[in-house]
Amino acid sequence: AQSVSQHNHHVILSEAASLELGCNYSYGGTVNLFWYVQYPGQHLQLLLKYFSGDPLVKGNKGIEAEIIKSNFSFNLRKPSVQWSDTAEYFCAVNPTNFGNEKLTFGTGTRLTIIP
Amino acid sequence: NAGVMQNPRHLVRRRGQEARLRCSPMKGHSHVYWYRQLPEEGLKFMVYLQKENIIDESGMPKERFSAEFPKEGPSILRIQQVVRGDSAAYFCASSPPGKGSNTEAFFGQGTRLTVV
Repeated sequence: AQSVSQHNHHVILSEAASLELGCNYSYGGTVNLFWYVQYPGQHLQLLLKYFSGDPLVKGNKGIEAEIIKSNFSFNLRKPSVQWSDTAEYFCAVNPTNFGNEKLTFGTGTRLTIIP
Repeated sequence: NAGVMQNPRHLVRRRGQEARLRCSPMKGHSHVYWYRQLPEEGLKFMVYLQKENIIDESGMPKERFSAEFPKEGPSILRIQQVVRGDSAAYFCASSPPGKGSNTEAFFGQGTRLTVV
């Protein structure tokens, strides 16, 4: 069975600081990888997804994630955070074999940005 | 195109009562997933349904929990005889048919169940 580890439970940064959130996965086959964000009081929203191809996936406002298969990692990065980035971030994985679409989530990282 | 709609947003039940959580998927989506988020934990998969079929219920507790996705109407997650440990946020997600696991799941805002 697959699993996802997010070792940073709570990260506190000042505005303009650089961000890196760790995500490690374990699975015996090929996987799809996702980063979801949950802003306070809102639903989960997809930030980034990796299915295949370029190991570096880029989203809006400078956010990106890179899969390093040798390390089983899919870390999220942003060069300069803003107060509005305060949220909970979840890494998730699912196997690529057809019909097995359920996501396995990490426990999440709570990011607090101090103005 | 409205997103995934869940209701109610908040539900309070006394121990022993039944809780019914509803999820209307996005238009055109025929796959529905239910997840549970316990306090200080990540989301845990519960069940995956397609219209009138349960595809994978490996994450469902063996007793008191059931789910359905009828031909018409929303998907329902039912919890009978609720206990305090059922207090959690329950999220529904939906995805379109036919693309296997390379599909994006869209989440609803969740139903926060509190058992008193």
